[in-house]
Amino acid sequence: KAGVTQTPRYLIKTRGQQVTLSCSPISGHRSVSWYQQTPGQGLQFLFEYFSETQRNKGNFPGRFSGRQFSNSRSEMNVSTLELGDSALYLCASYSGTSGVYEQYFGPGTRLTVT
Amino acid sequence: DAKTTQPPSMDCAEGRAANLPCNHSTISGNEYVYWYRQIHSQGPQYIIHGLKNNETNEMASLIITEDRKSSTLILPHATLRDTAVYYCIVRVATGGTSYGKLTFGQGTILTVHP
Repeated sequence: KAGVTQTPRYLIKTRGQQVTLSCSPISGHRSVSWYQQTPGQGLQFLFEYFSETQRNKGNFPGRFSGRQFSNSRSEMNVSTLELGDSALYLCASYSGTSGVYEQYFGPGTRLTVT
Repeated sequence: DAKTTQPPSMDCAEGRAANLPCNHSTISGNEYVYWYRQIHSQGPQYIIHGLKNNETNEMASLIITEDRKSSTLILPHATLRDTAVYYCIVRVATGGTSYGKLTFGQGTILTVHP
């Protein structure tokens, strides 16, 4: 079955602009999580959505937001971009129910803020 | 979630076994050990997980000490394609208050050389 897809794969934005990234989970998966990866901070959890509801959130400013649609696809938005937002943004999906599950990651969106 | 400690880097010759250690001395009885790896500029990939018994799948073996305070991921016949950052993560089964959140440390950079 198809894996997790993320669009776009690469993006260049200017400071102060906003950006929207998209993630399509594996079919049947209802949970989508987002992570930011930078050389200095490593992989950091942003938030997780399940059935259109945010059910967990990391320690990021309010400029970072997300949403999930009824088909489980998810978007994340970063407003008022800063240079430090340059990073690889990854999403991951799994079924969303309790248990021991592997999570599947997408290839990521590389965001460069100039 | 319990904290993990991994060596920052390791080398391995192609065709030989790669043994990647992870210390998790504060692990709780209901926490699992998960291993993921990230090949350069790709999303992390699930490898294996275990609770207290040794586990093996088509990718690797996981050896957990009897006191569960440390574990070793074994790649039995490393290839150049196994060069990646390997992350050891300790957490409860998905669900509960952290749901699907994965907390990544710095991981171990494994370099497989010819």
